Amino acid sequence: GQQVQQSPASLVLQEGENAELQCNFSTSLNSMQWFYQRPEGSLVSLFYNPSGTKQSGRLTSTTVIKERRSSLHISSSQITDSGTYLCAMAGNYKYVFGAGTRLKVIA
Amino acid sequence: GGIITQTPKFLIGQEGQKLTLKCQQNFNHDTMYWYRQDSGKGLRLIYYSITENDLQKGDLSEGYDASREKKSSFSLTVTSAQKNEMAVFLCASRDRGERLFFGHGTKLSVL
Repeated sequence: GQQVQQSPASLVLQEGENAELQCNFSTSLNSMQWFYQRPEGSLVSLFYNPSGTKQSGRLTSTTVIKERRSSLHISSSQITDSGTYLCAMAGNYKYVFGAGTRLKVIA
Repeated sequence: GGIITQTPKFLIGQEGQKLTLKCQQNFNHDTMYWYRQDSGKGLRLIYYSITENDLQKGDLSEGYDASREKKSSFSLTVTSAQKNEMAVFLCASRDRGERLFFGHGTKLSVL
C-alpha cells in the first residue's frame, strides 16, 4: 500500500537555527499537505502543496512530484515552533500520513 | 470560517464497553474522516464518508462502527473497548480543494 516516510523522526534545535524536514512518498500522489500538531494534540494545516514552492512567514514548503517528495523548511526557529510536523499524501479520497517529525526548540 | 467540534474531549471507558464519539462540522463539507493516533505515531484511517449516509472502511475499521445520518455530523463507535487502550481519535472534513481540516480530538482511556 501507499507509504509516507518522514525524516528526521526527531530534531532538537537551538533557537534561531534553521530546519529542513523531509517527506517521501512510495507512490505517485495527487496532492499533499503539511500539518503542525500542537503538544496538546490539535492539528493545524500549514500548507496544501501538491507541487512547487509555497511560503508563509518563516515556513517554506517545496513539493517535487516527479521525485515523490516534499520538504518543509523552518527558518530562524522559535521555541513556539516546538511540536510535531506531519505530512500527508492524498489519493482519491484517502490520505496517508507519515509518522511525523518531533521538533524541540530550546533557548 | 468553520469549525469541527468533537465530543467528548476526554473519554474514559471500561473494558468491553461500547463507546461513541461524535463530530460536528459547519463547513458544509461533503467528506468526513475518522482517524486514530497512537502515542508517537502517525494517523491511521478508521472510516470515511463521502456524503450523507455513505460509509467507507479505512485500514483500521475492525472493532469500530460509524454513522453519517446528517451531512454535518459523523459519529464513531468503539464496539468493545480493549483494556489499557489509549489513543486519540481525530475527526476531519475535506473541502473541494482537497484540504483537510481537523477537530481537536477525543482522548480515549480504557481501564
